[in-house]
Amino acid sequence: DGGITQSPKYLFRKEGQNVTLSCEQNLNHDAMYWYRQDPGQGLRLIYYSQIVNDFQKGDIAEGYSVSREKKESFPLTVTSAQKNPTAFYLCASWGGVGETQYFGPGTRLLVL
Amino acid sequence: EDQVTQSPEALRLQEGESSSLNCSYTVSGLRGLFWYRQDPGKGPEFLFTLYSAGEEKEKERLKATLTKKESFLHITAPKPEDSATYLCAVRWSNAGNMLTFGGGTRLMVKP
Repeated sequence: DGGITQSPKYLFRKEGQNVTLSCEQNLNHDAMYWYRQDPGQGLRLIYYSQIVNDFQKGDIAEGYSVSREKKESFPLTVTSAQKNPTAFYLCASWGGVGETQYFGPGTRLLVL
Repeated sequence: EDQVTQSPEALRLQEGESSSLNCSYTVSGLRGLFWYRQDPGKGPEFLFTLYSAGEEKEKERLKATLTKKESFLHITAPKPEDSATYLCAVRWSNAGNMLTFGGGTRLMVKP
């Protein structure tokens, strides 16, 4: 089955700690994205990557970092500089017959 | 600034009570309008893409329509399993494969 996987489903962060969210896709898509969703709100773009070894900041990149060393993988690190990290994080990729964004199941990040 | 606005923020319906959700956008070169369904705690699921004014697409009890300034998601005779948040997103002609999302409409259908 082709799709996007995210892990873990829940992640707990202690103050001052960096944590990394995993995103893997086997859809052979070039472009990948990270979004943040706060309760009752839409999606806000954190980072995106159009191709391996290249990525760009989105609207709310401060306190986050990414890498794109492989086509299939686009991990997101939430650094200690992100003071309000509690949110639902969604990874997506672009492609398919109709050309759209497909989403993973999400990771919920909570602060201890 | 290009914007996408959804209304209402929340909608409560009785089972079988048809209604419509609205997605309006600033006119700035639309390349595609997307509708997604999102269940609580899950990622959005793609429903439709509309490309030009007058276009319509249907899936079960859902029908999406598009004008030059807004899109409607019509829900005919909804069932409790249609309860979800519905998100719309716009692909602008000068923004490659980037999408701008609206805030969503939370739909609750009571039996």
